[in-house]
Amino acid sequence: GAVVSQHPSWVICKSGTSVKIECRSLDFQATTMFWYRQFPKQSLMLMATSNEGSKATYEQGVEKDKFLINHASLTLSTLTVTSAHPEDSSFYICSAPLAGVEYEQYFGPGTRLTVT
Amino acid sequence: DQQVKQNSPSLSVQEGRISILNCDYTNSMFDYFLWYKKYPAEGPTFLISISSIKDKNEDGRFTVFLNKSAKHLSLHIVPSQPGDSAVYFCAASFQGAQKLVFGQGTRLTINP
Repeated sequence: GAVVSQHPSWVICKSGTSVKIECRSLDFQATTMFWYRQFPKQSLMLMATSNEGSKATYEQGVEKDKFLINHASLTLSTLTVTSAHPEDSSFYICSAPLAGVEYEQYFGPGTRLTVT
Repeated sequence: DQQVKQNSPSLSVQEGRISILNCDYTNSMFDYFLWYKKYPAEGPTFLISISSIKDKNEDGRFTVFLNKSAKHLSLHIVPSQPGDSAVYFCAASFQGAQKLVFGQGTRLTINP
């Protein structure tokens, strides 16, 4: 099946610093990728849709200047959490749909971010 | 506004018995529904899906039932195995939208 990877798998950073998370589709091309975050014991909440070669589309309530998304190639999307604060600590997951297979998405393993 | 709801945060089932996980939705525009399984610190893995034009889809031990009039779907796992212990999320989508709306998840524990 299709594989999506994320790097790093976990990261600890100090408050005020920025952190970049990478999402890669390893064996297929993805013109669209999605970024989710999950708080403990809660659902996956869609943050934004990453579009290759164009601006990301953010969900309501998500600060686009804080969560910078870049989709520079057909296999890579990055999420940068700028000026991180402890409340940004969460589990961030990306996903990508397989072209020609509508609806189904393949998820990365997630990145645990802890801001101290 | 929670458009997809899983009202049972947890479920405990004995090994070999049937596990039934439930999901309700409010948006009648959803036309595709999926179930994902998730282990801690991992991304969700796809289990089974169903289109709104169907009322049942089966894949091995997993069967999903859709009741459109009630805006309700359920996932049946039979027989339940210890490896099925995980958090199960139902998700819904619109045609062409690609993005998924997830429920809160149900933690399933299979007891030996």
